[in-house]
Amino acid sequence: DTAVSQTPKYLVTQMGNDKSIKCEQNLGHDTMYWYKQDSKKFLKIMFSYNNKELIINETVPNRFSPKSPDKAHLNLHINSLELGDSAVYFCASRRSDLLNTGELFFGEGSRLTVL
Amino acid sequence: SQQGEEDPQALSIQEGENATMNCSYKTSINNLQWYRQNSGRGLVHLILIRSNEREKHSGRLRVTLDTSKKSSSLLITASRAADTASYFCATDFQGGSEKLVFGKGTKLTVNP
Repeated sequence: DTAVSQTPKYLVTQMGNDKSIKCEQNLGHDTMYWYKQDSKKFLKIMFSYNNKELIINETVPNRFSPKSPDKAHLNLHINSLELGDSAVYFCASRRSDLLNTGELFFGEGSRLTVL
Repeated sequence: SQQGEEDPQALSIQEGENATMNCSYKTSINNLQWYRQNSGRGLVHLILIRSNEREKHSGRLRVTLDTSKKSSSLLITASRAADTASYFCATDFQGGSEKLVFGKGTKLTVNP
């Protein structure tokens, strides 16, 4: 069973469109993240949620809106897509309790291409 | 920026050789982790070393941490073609809430 799953894996769209990426984890973790990896492989944190509550927002444009309906899901909605949004978006999760090992579990990524 | 910096950016070796990658960071940390990313895949955790540890081993991996120099190294011994991937260090810095900050990665190519 996939621990952290993201859909879609590939997304090609036009500038100005709105798109969503979904993420689900079946590990029972409390904390989930979105990271963006650019063409140079630089991985930058965007958001983090703990038990459905936003705890990290790394000055991401407000065109990006995360939503966590429950602690197992963290979706990312992007409005008015721009060329610079083209990247691979990774969802990740980890425990936040006393048994937290610090390890992040990543999904396989969603490659977004904006034309 | 608390971001780690890996060195070298790219490394090409022959199978059987050892590969050493370095990571430097800027602020005090709780722990430092190394991750591996195969082409087109997600990152996979390899090893974590805490700020009060100096060395850690896991199979063919050896990680060292020097907090006075704010640096870490990852050694992969007896490399295999399957070790070809990008390797990232990530720091869980003190006072940094719940986030891991990743470096830019080292792309390792192991030639058969």
